[in-house]
Amino acid sequence: GQQLNQSPQSMFIQEGEDVSMNCTSSSIFNTWLWYKQDPGEGPVLLIALYKAGELTSNGRLTAQFGITRKDSFLNISASIPSDVGIYFCAGLQAGGTSYGKLTFGQGTILTVHP
Amino acid sequence: DGGITQSPKYLFRKEGQNVTLSCEQNLNHDAMYWYRQDPGQGLRLIYYSQIVNDFQKGDIAEGYSVSREKKESFPLTVTSAQKNPTAFYLCASKLGSGGNQPQHFGDGTRLSIL
Repeated sequence: GQQLNQSPQSMFIQEGEDVSMNCTSSSIFNTWLWYKQDPGEGPVLLIALYKAGELTSNGRLTAQFGITRKDSFLNISASIPSDVGIYFCAGLQAGGTSYGKLTFGQGTILTVHP
Repeated sequence: DGGITQSPKYLFRKEGQNVTLSCEQNLNHDAMYWYRQDPGQGLRLIYYSQIVNDFQKGDIAEGYSVSREKKESFPLTVTSAQKNPTAFYLCASKLGSGGNQPQHFGDGTRLSIL
């Protein structure tokens, strides 16, 4: 099945630094979602984006839906140790037989050093 | 509390054995999904169901089976035909069978081979 290209694969940063990750696709999506997964847990929804160009914040997190509808990015400002985890992007294609099926990126593993 | 409950948390399978993973939700969600997660990879869709008594194969359905006899329950059976079943299995659900509502996940079941 199709997957999104998510980068970087991993990041090692110092506490307090800002983080940026992105997802790109050759296909158009009408919804972009960003999830965070802690070890041994299920992914938790962070931000949902529904319109091209949309910029949405959730605390220190900001995500944008690319104008071309083929990409999205997630920024985390002033990182803290509890930001550690795996971040996934997911895209939902418009209509047809997609029936709410999501396409996932491979994930970005974030490590924050105190 | 409303949510998605997966059980058991850990499961061991002997060769030639079928095992069933439970997924229950009390969110009154219409659609339910099963994903497989392997290290370093994104989530891959096994099966999904938009309404009771109906389900469709995802991208990696071979060696798995499901049922949807009740709206709140979507059990996954890993059959002996699945030769590489060791993975983290995630169940998700969403409101509405189509549309762009985000999926919400349970906390997963880790399946290992004895």
